[in-house]
Parts: sequence; structure tokens; C-alpha cells
Amino acid sequence: KAGVTQTPRYLIKTRGQQVTLSCSPISGHRSVSWYQQTPGQGLQFLFEYFSETQRNKGNFPGRFSGRQFSNSRSEMNVSTLELGDSALYLCASSLVGGATNEKLFFGSGTQLSVL
Amino acid sequence: KQEVTQIPAALSVPEGENLVLNCSFTDSAIYNLQWFRQDPGKGLTSLLLIQSSQREQTSGRLNASLDKSSGRSTLYIAASQPGDSATYLCAVNLNTGGFKTIFGAGTRLFVKA
Repeated sequence: KAGVTQTPRYLIKTRGQQVTLSCSPISGHRSVSWYQQTPGQGLQFLFEYFSETQRNKGNFPGRFSGRQFSNSRSEMNVSTLELGDSALYLCASSLVGGATNEKLFFGSGTQLSVL
Repeated sequence: KQEVTQIPAALSVPEGENLVLNCSFTDSAIYNLQWFRQDPGKGLTSLLLIQSSQREQTSGRLNASLDKSSGRSTLYIAASQPGDSATYLCAVNLNTGGFKTIFGAGTRLFVKA
């Protein structure tokens, strides 16, 4: 069974540009969540999607948005990039995102550098 | 607001030593608690998951405990090996009608051969 796949693996952008990151969950998983990891702030929750609906959202500005498609694949978009957006962006999937025995499975991440 | 704290921030031990990593959280209304391992520049690998109704879980040389009432979890690693060197992260999933996961800052472990 394939794991969580994130593309691209590395990305370099300049300030002011926008970027779209992609995440394909494990087959059969319907909940997808996104996280930002930086050396200073650690791992922070961005948002979680289930059945094409955002169910939970972290404390990030509106420049960070996402969506989920009917096949459960998800994309995350960051508009008007700032230097502080440089981070490892991780995606995780789980079956339905609500059972106490559900594990989160993570992708390898997308390393975004903003110059 | 849920906060997750991990102690110590870093740990260096000789090979073969048994060790304990600590995690504390401020709000006991959690779905579950999960321990992860992260190697530099990589994603997270799930080690153990403890449901809110459970007290402990074991996998090989790893044992994780959960005390919801006191807001604490520990990860015990027996007979540590150099291959155990990594950052260990504790995460709680909140009861919000879907997953909202709060991570601790992690414990960076180095096992010397």
C-alpha cells in the first residue's frame, strides 16, 4: 500500500509569489491535515479536511488556504509569500479523522524556501 | 488552549542505556496521544498511539504510558541503539469533531556507540 505522497519535494520561490503544494493520502483515507514545521515554532497545525470540507483550522493568516478533491487528494496554497513562510510543509492522512484508535500517517514533506 | 511540553529538549546517552522521554499536556479532553520519530529533513514515523481510554502501549523496545488526569505521557526506550538517534515528538489529537493535532517541540536524542 503506497504511503502519503507529497509533491514537489523541494520548492524555491521569491517573496510575493504564490505556491501550491499537493498531497495524496493513503488509499482509503479520507481525512487530510496539513502542518508547518520551522526551527523556531516547531510543528504547527494548519488545517484538516474531510469529504472536501475544512473541519478544523489552526491559527494562520488567510494567505494560507487549502482544498480537498473528491478523491481525497488535497492541495495547500500560500499566496503573497513572505520570508517567514520558509518551512517544511507536512501532510498527514487518516481514515476518517475522528476515531480514538486512528493513527496519523505523514508524508515526507515539501521543503519551501522563500528568497 | 492546549499546550504540549516535552522534556528534556535534548538527550545524549551511551548505547545500551534505558531512557525515558516526557510529554505533558494542559487539557485532558484528548482523543488520543501519538508518539512519532523524525529523522533530519524527513517526515514523521508513527511509533505508538495510546487511545484516551488506555494506560499504555508497547511495541518492541518501546513502551508509552498515558495518565490523562495528570496530563502526562512517557516514552520508555529500552536498550538504546545508535539507530534510535532522532527527534521524538509527542502529539495530542483534540476532540473537535475531526482531527486537530497539537505537537510538542520534541526531544532530540543522540545515542553514542
